Amino acid sequence: DAGVIQSPRHEVTEMGQEVTLRCKPISGHNSLFWYRQTMMRGLELLIYFNNNVPIDDSGMPEDRFSAKMPNASFSTLKIQPSEPRDSAVYFCASSRRGENTGELFFGEGSRLTVL
Amino acid sequence: QQQVKQSPQSLIVQKGGISIINCAYENTAFDYFPWYQQFPGKGPALLIAIRPDVSEKKEGRFTISFNKSAKQFSLHIMDSQPGDSATYFCAAVWGRRALTFGSGTRLQVQP
Repeated sequence: DAGVIQSPRHEVTEMGQEVTLRCKPISGHNSLFWYRQTMMRGLELLIYFNNNVPIDDSGMPEDRFSAKMPNASFSTLKIQPSEPRDSAVYFCASSRRGENTGELFFGEGSRLTVL
Repeated sequence: QQQVKQSPQSLIVQKGGISIINCAYENTAFDYFPWYQQFPGKGPALLIAIRPDVSEKKEGRFTISFNKSAKQFSLHIMDSQPGDSATYFCAAVWGRRALTFGSGTRLQVQP
């Protein structure tokens, strides 16, 4: 069974460019999370969706960040324009909501470097 | 109130020793406390979890100890092995909210 699939695995871009990160959750999971990991701040929740609907986006840093989930099998996180301080590993995770087990299944992450 | 405070930031243990990582929380509404393990280049993966109605949970060499009155919980890794070298995150959640993670502990088990 395929896990959470993220792309690209690595992205190097220049300040001001648009960045789009993609995520395919595990089939049958109805909750999807975007986390950002940095050395300074650890794992931060950016946004999460339940049944494709954004539930909590309070962690989205600012208007430069946006996330969409057009259907149950795909989500994007977009940064426009990107800045050097956005450099981090971005993780997508999914879970079967309603079980409240706290078990998130993470992808392998997208490492973003903004020059 | 949403924070989960984790310590130490890093830990070096000899093979066969006991690794202990501690976490503390403020929000008494938290009702589920998982630990995640992350290897370099990988996403975190669930290791073990506990609910506040029990004081201890053991799975193999991994044990969670939970102190509800002190609002603290800890992960103990018995007979630590080099393969346990990873970053460990405690977390907490309540209701249908998203997990709140601790800051992580980088564990290095020396052969």
